[in-house]
Amino acid sequence: SFVLTQPPSVSVAPGETARITCGGDDVGTKSVHWYQQKPGQAPAPVIYFDSDRPSGIPERFSGSHSGIAATLTISRVEAGDEADYYCQVWDSSSGYVFGPGTKVIV
Amino acid sequence: EVQLVESGGGLVQPGGSLRLSCSASGLSFSHYTMHWVRQAPGKGLQHVASISETGGDRYYADSVKGRFTISRDGSKNTLSFQMSSLRVEDTAVYYCVKEGTIASRSFDLWGQGTLVTVSS
Repeated sequence: SFVLTQPPSVSVAPGETARITCGGDDVGTKSVHWYQQKPGQAPAPVIYFDSDRPSGIPERFSGSHSGIAATLTISRVEAGDEADYYCQVWDSSSGYVFGPGTKVIV
Repeated sequence: EVQLVESGGGLVQPGGSLRLSCSASGLSFSHYTMHWVRQAPGKGLQHVASISETGGDRYYADSVKGRFTISRDGSKNTLSFQMSSLRVEDTAVYYCVKEGTIASRSFDLWGQGTLVTVSS
């Protein structure tokens, strides 16, 4: 089955930049989506199709995609950005696959 | 307001059954593939089932195949999830989730979730 990898946690000071990677075999050939989940809340999308921001998501959130990994970048990090972040892809054999999640600690 | 509202969660014994419902409002329910995604306590997200716009195509994760059934009623804007032969490892918050544009393979609207606890 298709497996995505993410770092368990990323620590960042307020105002700095947080980068979260999402890796996996052939991830470079797939569209990667990112979700933010704050404590006690349902997940919500922050990036679609590698780099598209949904309406209402600040420009501080951006996505990129190289051949071997996708990256979610949060610029000028705020206390309110503290959350778990999950990447997700669709694989023809494994279906809808989520990464294990990364806790961003501010 | 566009929203998904789940109901039907609760405590059930191993081997028991439970039926979850999701009521959709503010959207053209029949136009979208719908999903159930679950999250065990303190764990990550797991996609468990999906159903196409017409209901003709259904997908199940191996962990629930043969035990759970996803269905939809377009006339009532309702998504359902019949869960049988429940196991302790099925304990999780179950989210009703709407897929984005056709074939986007992404999730753009989530319900607040309903907790299913399987325990004796």
